[in-house]
Amino acid sequence: EIVMTQSPATLSVSPGETVTLSCRASQSVTVNLAWYQQKPGQAPRLLIFSASTRATGIPARFSGSGFGTEFTLTISSLQSEDFAVYYCQQYNAWPPLTFGGGTKVDIK
Amino acid sequence: EVQLVESGGGLVKPGGSLRLSCAASGFIFTNYNMNWVRQAPGKGLEWVASMTSTTGYIYYADSVKGRFTISRDNAKNSLFLQMNSLRAEDTAVYYCVRDWNFFGYWGQGTLVTVS
Repeated sequence: EIVMTQSPATLSVSPGETVTLSCRASQSVTVNLAWYQQKPGQAPRLLIFSASTRATGIPARFSGSGFGTEFTLTISSLQSEDFAVYYCQQYNAWPPLTFGGGTKVDIK
Repeated sequence: EVQLVESGGGLVKPGGSLRLSCAASGFIFTNYNMNWVRQAPGKGLEWVASMTSTTGYIYYADSVKGRFTISRDNAKNSLFLQMNSLRAEDTAVYYCVRDWNFFGYWGQGTLVTVS
């Protein structure tokens, strides 16, 4: 099973700042990695797939990068609606599909 | 518009059973693989099971293998999850999710409480 580890667990930031979230895989997943955003009481929303491709309708301020075992999600000029929990997920080798534990981005 | 609407959640005693349903609309159901993903209260996401559209390939998380059964009725655009021998650790919101590998469409979820 590929274990996904996200850091940090919580990030406190101010609106307008740029944030970088990290996701590490226990073994290479090449570019088979997705990112999701989840707000309280809502289902997750797909942001990024193939490590760096934005899903339909996702603003350009969200960008993903990485290959192998190290990945990042960058949110430029954080908006109020971006405060949420973010999850990474690998789909390179499954079952099982595995998610990271999440990073909560909250308001400083 | 793609819609996935789960139902069937509720309170059940340990060892009991529950059957979740997911009604799909807004897309050609037979063209898509489907999945269940769950989220325990205050916790992260956990993949549960996946089923291909027509070939019938099925995969389960080890935590539910032998207890849960995923199925679909393509004629009724519906996905199901039969859950037997439920445990306290199965308490979660269960999401019906479309697509394969990564998940572009999610239902609103249905809460299953085992207590």
